[in-house]
Amino acid sequence: GAVVSQHPSWVICKSGTSVKIECRSLDFQATTMFWYRQFPKQSLMLMATSNEGSKATYEQGVEKDKFLINHASLTLSTLTVTSAHPEDSSFYICSARGLRGWETQYFGPGTRLLVL
Amino acid sequence: TQLLEQSPQFLSIQEGENLTVYCNSSSVFSSLQWYRQEPGEGPVLLVTVVTGGEVKKLKRLTFQFGDARKDSSLHITAAQPGDTGLYLCAGASGGSNYKLTFGKGTLLTVNP
Repeated sequence: GAVVSQHPSWVICKSGTSVKIECRSLDFQATTMFWYRQFPKQSLMLMATSNEGSKATYEQGVEKDKFLINHASLTLSTLTVTSAHPEDSSFYICSARGLRGWETQYFGPGTRLLVL
Repeated sequence: TQLLEQSPQFLSIQEGENLTVYCNSSSVFSSLQWYRQEPGEGPVLLVTVVTGGEVKKLKRLTFQFGDARKDSSLHITAAQPGDTGLYLCAGASGGSNYKLTFGKGTLLTVNP
């Protein structure tokens, strides 16, 4: 199957700093990438949908100024958590969807963020 | 807002037992996907069902999509400890605003 990578796999940072997470589709071009957040033993919550070359669409309740998303190319999307606080600690997962209409979403391995 | 109700939320069984996980919604989905996720990893796609009434088998796993494309089930026969994990159903809404709506997940533990 298609491969999606995320970097870093885990990060620990101090409160108030910004953290950037990269999501790459390694063997296919992704017109759309999705960013999810997951708390322990819970399901995935969609944060935003990112389309290459356009602004991301954020889900209700997700602060766009807090979670900056950039989808600069067909293989790379980034999520920047600005001025991170302990409540932002979570597991962040991206997924990528290919060019053809019924392409499945392929998920990255996730990034564990811990804000101290 | 489309919602997917997944049940049971937790399931602990002995090796060799059978189990069924249900995913129900009042909304129609263009397709429904089942994922399995292990701790600290991203979800891995098991199957996508598209047609109402469709049944797909993947070794000991059987997936059904309801005739009305609002519900689905996952049946595991003779569960093994390696089946332990979080099982997630996700409904796809199509068109220009394509996105997946996830159920809350079923945390399955298969004891040896």
